Amino acid sequence: QSALTQPASLSGSPGQSITISCTGTSTDVGIFNYVSWHQQYPGRAPKLMIYDVTNRPSGVSDRFSGSKSGNTASLTISGLQAEDEADYYCSSYTTYRSWVFGGGTKLTVL
Amino acid sequence: QITLKESGPTLVKPTQTLTLTCTFSGFSLNSIGVGVGWIRQPPGKALEWLALIYWNDDERYRPSLKSRLSITKGTSKNQVVLTMTNMDPVDTATYYCVHRLELSGSVLDPSGWFDPWGQGTLVTVSS
Repeated sequence: QSALTQPASLSGSPGQSITISCTGTSTDVGIFNYVSWHQQYPGRAPKLMIYDVTNRPSGVSDRFSGSKSGNTASLTISGLQAEDEADYYCSSYTTYRSWVFGGGTKLTVL
Repeated sequence: QITLKESGPTLVKPTQTLTLTCTFSGFSLNSIGVGVGWIRQPPGKALEWLALIYWNDDERYRPSLKSRLSITKGTSKNQVVLTMTNMDPVDTATYYCVHRLELSGSVLDPSGWFDPWGQGTLVTVSS
């Protein structure tokens, strides 16, 4: 069971849109619609941003959206803001009755 | 308001057994759909899912660590205990306790989330 694949880093300017990809396999992302995204600031616990591929918890900005195609899930942040600078992790349920996280993406707002 | 807090040793020696306790409030582990899990993060590295226990005592483990892990409900109704045997320096990490909710109320349909998380506790493995 390998970690999901995310780009190590991404950057964007304020106001721009960015998309973080999360690639898995037919034993996780490809077969289940149980992909979540968490945001983590340095030294802090992660915070849920998206669950079940596309759903936003109450209180999360609608600038955050999720999608999936085949074995790849994506998190899109529109209207990038300085406060969005953080690490982002995807995760998925797997056929092994367990969960797997991605390697994380460090987002820099230029 | 749901809160969770991890407690346990900050330093363990190689080959020793680690025991961590998660003490939570704001929810019941007897409620259908509810679970408590453990997730760790080595310094500067990615999150790693470890284990989960559900309201119905269903236990789940990271396949590669299954032989070393045990998750149980504590003697207090608001506690969950994680045990990891044969600790190694590579197990040095911040260990997080996290609330899990299955919206369907069924472990067969894990449509839900890991949220919120505890503040985490750093465990260092060193002789």
